[in-house]
Amino acid sequence: AQKVTQAQTEISVVEKEDVTLDCVYETRDTTYYLFWYKQPPSGELVFLIRRNSFDEQNEISGRYSWNFQKSTSSFNFTITASQVVDSAVYFCALGTSYDKVIFGPGTSLSVIP
Amino acid sequence: ETGVTQSPTHLIKTRGQQVTLRCSSQSGHNTVSWYQQALGQGPQFIFQYYREEENGRGNFPPRFSGLQFPNYSSELNVNALELDDSALYLCAFGGYSYEQYFGPGTRLTVT
Repeated sequence: AQKVTQAQTEISVVEKEDVTLDCVYETRDTTYYLFWYKQPPSGELVFLIRRNSFDEQNEISGRYSWNFQKSTSSFNFTITASQVVDSAVYFCALGTSYDKVIFGPGTSLSVIP
Repeated sequence: ETGVTQSPTHLIKTRGQQVTLRCSSQSGHNTVSWYQQALGQGPQFIFQYYREEENGRGNFPPRFSGLQFPNYSSELNVNALELDDSALYLCAFGGYSYEQYFGPGTRLTVT
């Protein structure tokens, strides 16, 4: 079965705190792709990052970083020094040739000034 | 700004009616997918079109159908609307192995 779990439904942090959003996935495919998307209150999903199953290098982009661990089937997302503009719902997604793209239930992040 | 547009923005329909939603992209991607996002949930994959043919479908009944046109724009048609069809409908250009560019969505309310 293909599945994405985001155990944290809602997270609230104070501005400038670091926050990590968890993502655990399930798939039997050996080739797959992992994504993170941001959905601000306006509703439009915004692409943040894509990782393929053969690339376990962690990535940093400004205040954002991603930790891909195949051994634990996790693809966690950390925001450093959070800002109010980071408030949004964040979705982890799994792309496989069988089920196309499957999204997790999302984590709603609130950054309080 | 993804260059993906959807119309209409909002729509109210009555149970049993039919609806057509539209989606287009400035970029010319040849793969388009449609998703249903119920309130408080993640997007659920409906189907995908590649070069005008359906090449993948999620767990949705046949009353959900689609079209892709030669210019890669797309339509989602839903027949015999049910109350549970009330949701945000998103289209996205790009395939399962690439980042997808989403439109702002159409909010459908079925009464």
